[in-house]
Amino acid sequence: GAVVSQHPSRVICKSGTSVKIECRSLDFQATTMFWYRQFPKQSLMLMATSNEGSKATYEQGVEKDKFLINHASLTLSTLTVTSAHPEDSSFYICSAHRLAGGKTADTQYFGPGTRLTVL
Amino acid sequence: AQKVTQAQTEISVVEKEDVTLDCVYETRDTTYYLFWYKQPPSGELVFLIRRNSFDEQNEISGRYSWNFQKSTSSFNFTITASQVVDSAVYFCALSEMYSGAGSYQLTFGKGTKLSVIP
Repeated sequence: GAVVSQHPSRVICKSGTSVKIECRSLDFQATTMFWYRQFPKQSLMLMATSNEGSKATYEQGVEKDKFLINHASLTLSTLTVTSAHPEDSSFYICSAHRLAGGKTADTQYFGPGTRLTVL
Repeated sequence: AQKVTQAQTEISVVEKEDVTLDCVYETRDTTYYLFWYKQPPSGELVFLIRRNSFDEQNEISGRYSWNFQKSTSSFNFTITASQVVDSAVYFCALSEMYSGAGSYQLTFGKGTKLSVIP
């Protein structure tokens, strides 16, 4: 149990286009999901916290108009990188917080990540 | 503020050796969770363990074991008889227990890259 999918796994796009990344919790409901960005050989950097049915909370320095987050259901959150530029190229990872479940409760489960390359 | 320190940036061991990954944390919370995640070259973070702050029992799962010592604020991870498939970046993380909005956030260490050489 506790599977999180992320789509697409890899995307290459031209500068100026928008890219949407989907994050789904497949076997549990997640009122809270998170979006991270990871640079090569570095730890994860939290971008935003996504709560179902409400606006996302962005970390300091993250442009909310550039990184649009929508958490429309208990199993789906989307991250849209608008007007992408080469500096947005990175590895984006989502996670879903599993609230219930005994020893695995209160745990974030991660998607496989999306490698974004902006030309 | 919370902080997680993984002082070992990279470790190399020969297959079948035991290896311990260190994790030291700082928090003002009296109740919290500690986690270990594995990130293989494929990139996906794999959940390994969650430990409650009030449960200091050590845990063993196959070749993996964890030593939680509240007195030293450490949560170390040992792999016994390492294998090539253990090669990955391992992250230690900390979160407070639920107490309101934003409480689920994880504070990550910088990770330890483990290379197991055949």
